[in-house]
Amino acid sequence: SQQGEEDPQALSIQEGENATMNCSYKTSINNLQWYRQNSGRGLVHLILIRSNEREKHSGRLRVTLDTSKKSSSLLITASRAADTASYFCATDVWEHGGATNKLIFGTGTLLAVQP
Amino acid sequence: DAGVTQSPTHLIKTRGQQVTLRCSPKSGHDTVSWYQQALGQGPQFIFQYYEEEERQRGNFPDRFSGHQFPNYSSELNVNALLLGDSALYLCASSPTTRYNEQFFGPGTRLTVL
Repeated sequence: SQQGEEDPQALSIQEGENATMNCSYKTSINNLQWYRQNSGRGLVHLILIRSNEREKHSGRLRVTLDTSKKSSSLLITASRAADTASYFCATDVWEHGGATNKLIFGTGTLLAVQP
Repeated sequence: DAGVTQSPTHLIKTRGQQVTLRCSPKSGHDTVSWYQQALGQGPQFIFQYYEEEERQRGNFPDRFSGHQFPNYSSELNVNALLLGDSALYLCASSPTTRYNEQFFGPGTRLTVL
């Protein structure tokens, strides 16, 4: 089953605008990652944030993590048409006192950036 | 440096048949994970292989089995195919020392008729 949910399910914006998508998860985590997927093909890793971090930046991407609320957000600034894709959060689950090696994905946000 | 490769790209099978999907990990990676992604859903973890053994398993029936070879490549086998097995099957590889860094292949699109 999915670890969490993403919100919104779909988002349509104009080029140059910022896009924010949110992810909620259910259990304790070791870290949280964001991936991009174009047209139902392979996943591209965007950024990883560890459970003891609150915010991380990479280029036009900003990720926040609130472990007390079991939620994360991904902000893409100055969006481009090439950012059109599905975005997934994935958690590396903490079980039985240790990190597991499996990624649990959310349901995804479909982002459409209009030129 | 080649990334993760998967074969075939597309596959059409009928119910009850068996299928084998293949994955070659990124150079230097020794851990391979398999995921199933149904249309409109996020990927779901099937299992992970390291040192030719299954290390972690998700909530999938025994019809789903795998193998890892000494060169770290891997196969996913699905027996007695059901219509619901139609999905994109993704392989991801990672190095043991940094297992969080999973690199995904382009996937195999399986259609069961």
